[in-house]
Amino acid sequence: AQSVTQPDIHITVSEGASLELRCNYSYGATPYLFWYVQSPGQGLQLLLKYFSGDTLVQGIKGFEAEFKRSQSSFNLRKPSVHWSDAAEYFCALFSGGSYIPTFGRGTSLIVHP
Amino acid sequence: GAGVSQTPSNKVTEKGKYVELRCDPISGHTALYWYRQSLGQGPEFLIYFQGTGAADDSGLPNDRFFAVRPEGSVSTLKIQRTERGDSAVYLCASSLSGSSGELFFGEGSRLTVL
Repeated sequence: AQSVTQPDIHITVSEGASLELRCNYSYGATPYLFWYVQSPGQGLQLLLKYFSGDTLVQGIKGFEAEFKRSQSSFNLRKPSVHWSDAAEYFCALFSGGSYIPTFGRGTSLIVHP
Repeated sequence: GAGVSQTPSNKVTEKGKYVELRCDPISGHTALYWYRQSLGQGPEFLIYFQGTGAADDSGLPNDRFFAVRPEGSVSTLKIQRTERGDSAVYLCASSLSGSSGELFFGEGSRLTVL
């Protein structure tokens, strides 16, 4: 079975500070991995994705994520957070075995001015 | 529009009533997914369509839930004899082929069962 764990329910950062949101996955092989962002009242929007190759992937809005096979992790990072980044962030896993993307429970990002 | 469209955006109903939620995916996307999102939780898979057929309906919680996609485009999620526990945001997503896992989401339909 495949699963995604986002250990932090809430993360609070000051505007301008760096950010790292954690994501761990469980799957027997290398899956496809995604980060989505959901602003209040909005649908989920894709930030970035990892399929294969370079383990550091760049996304929209200045986000990046690093795939670490040894740690089964795919953490999301941003060097300087803006107030508009306050939202819910979801990590997701996809494998060719099931064709059903599996989502973590999400991390709520709070940005202080 | 070019994105995934869901209607209604909000639905309030009484316990025991029947509800239909509609999803209009991105044109040309063959894969369509329904997820349910409860407060403070991530999207929970309900059903996946590839074309007109339900390729995987293992996430439907019970036989009160049913979904169709008769022409391989618009899909309708149908909930019979609604219960208060069905209250959630129902998300629809489409994907070009279903083989990449990259989903495009609608804004969701918020269902409240009184």
